[in-house]
Amino acid sequence: GQQVMQIPQYQHVQEGEDFTTYCNSSTTLSNIQWYKQRPGGHPVFLIQLVKSGEVKKQKRLTFQFGEAKKNSSLHITATQTTDVGTYFCAGPVIYNQGGKLIFGQGTELSVKP
Amino acid sequence: GAVVSQHPSRVICKSGTSVKIECRSLDFQATTMFWYRQFPKQSLMLMATSNEGSKATYEQGVEKDKFLINHASLTLSTLTVTSAHPEDSSFYICSARPAVRYNEQFFGPGTRLTVL
Repeated sequence: GQQVMQIPQYQHVQEGEDFTTYCNSSTTLSNIQWYKQRPGGHPVFLIQLVKSGEVKKQKRLTFQFGEAKKNSSLHITATQTTDVGTYFCAGPVIYNQGGKLIFGQGTELSVKP
Repeated sequence: GAVVSQHPSRVICKSGTSVKIECRSLDFQATTMFWYRQFPKQSLMLMATSNEGSKATYEQGVEKDKFLINHASLTLSTLTVTSAHPEDSSFYICSARPAVRYNEQFFGPGTRLTVL
């Protein structure tokens, strides 16, 4: 069945270091979305990528969508303690027009001050 | 804009009781709402899709008689966990998809259910 895989599962960094999480789909995606969930909180929508090879930036966050639209990455430059949380990628379930998403397992980021 | 509320945020109940969780889209109409379950340190698992005015669609392995979903209006969906047991303890999160901007989902703050 359709799968979305994320690596790494955990990442511990020193404040100021960079961080990257990778997302791979077993199928071509029409779009990919990224969410951030703070500890004890709920997922918050960060961004959606639609075009092949698309790159979008939000301050220190850089999102990429692969040429084949099967993989994506989120890169954070110079992490801060406010970046702590779990980052999920999600893609639409194929052959479903109802908006269902399939989530990756998430990458939990911890930042040591 | 695009705020989704959930109530209650936290509930503790005895085994065998039923618990109702409400999900409301506060400033937009949501033709579709989704109910997820999340265990600690795990990803979100979709339980069901709720469409206004029609029966919910449940994912494989989710008991529809156990988790009753009602989508009474374009701004309200409810999940009732019937005859709750300790294994139902989890974090339940709803999300709402606006009628426009249909590729986005906005998540509620979640409800943490503890069944004793």
